[in-house]
Amino acid sequence: AQKVTQAQTEISVVEKEDVTLDCVYETRDTTYYLFWYKQPPSGELVFLIRRNSFDEQNEISGRYSWNFQKSTSSFNFTITASQVVDSAVYFCALTPNTGNQFYFGTGTSLTVIP
Amino acid sequence: NAGVTQTPKFRILKIGQSMTLQCAQDMNHNYMYWYRQDPGMGLKLIYYSVGAGITDKGEVPNGYNVSRSTTEDFPLRLELAAPSQTSVYFCASRDRVSGNTIYFGEGSWLTVV
Repeated sequence: AQKVTQAQTEISVVEKEDVTLDCVYETRDTTYYLFWYKQPPSGELVFLIRRNSFDEQNEISGRYSWNFQKSTSSFNFTITASQVVDSAVYFCALTPNTGNQFYFGTGTSLTVIP
Repeated sequence: NAGVTQTPKFRILKIGQSMTLQCAQDMNHNYMYWYRQDPGMGLKLIYYSVGAGITDKGEVPNGYNVSRSTTEDFPLRLELAAPSQTSVYFCASRDRVSGNTIYFGEGSWLTVV
């Protein structure tokens, strides 16, 4: 079975605080890809990052960083020094290499308070 | 860079009417998808296609039909619109060859009254 769980439904932080969005996944495939997407209030879905199952290196892009841990089946996303523009719904997703479908979590709504 | 283009962006339908949401991609991706997103909810897969001439049902296909006559186009047809189909519809295409990333269109906001 393939499943993505984002247990945090809503998070509020004050501007400049750090925040971590959790993502836990389930898959029986040995080769798979993990993703994060951002959906700002304007509604579009923006691709942020892709990770394959063989690459457990953490990645940093500006204020964004991602921590992929196969041992705990997690792919967490941290925003450092949050800004109001980070307010959005963030979706974690999984696709097995052999499959045709994507499996999305239910999303975490982040509100950054000025 | 056009990417995935959806039309129309907004539409109001009366109950029982039919319409087609258009989706086109210019990235030569074989895989295409239609999702719906109800207010405050996540994404649900309606239909997908792994190539021209091939389509398959997703999680919530009832009330919809698709076709895939070309690699570029993947229209979604709503037959006999119902209020339960009020939603935001996202078309997406997938780069199966390089990285498996799925790219979304900007969405189509549909209201059935």
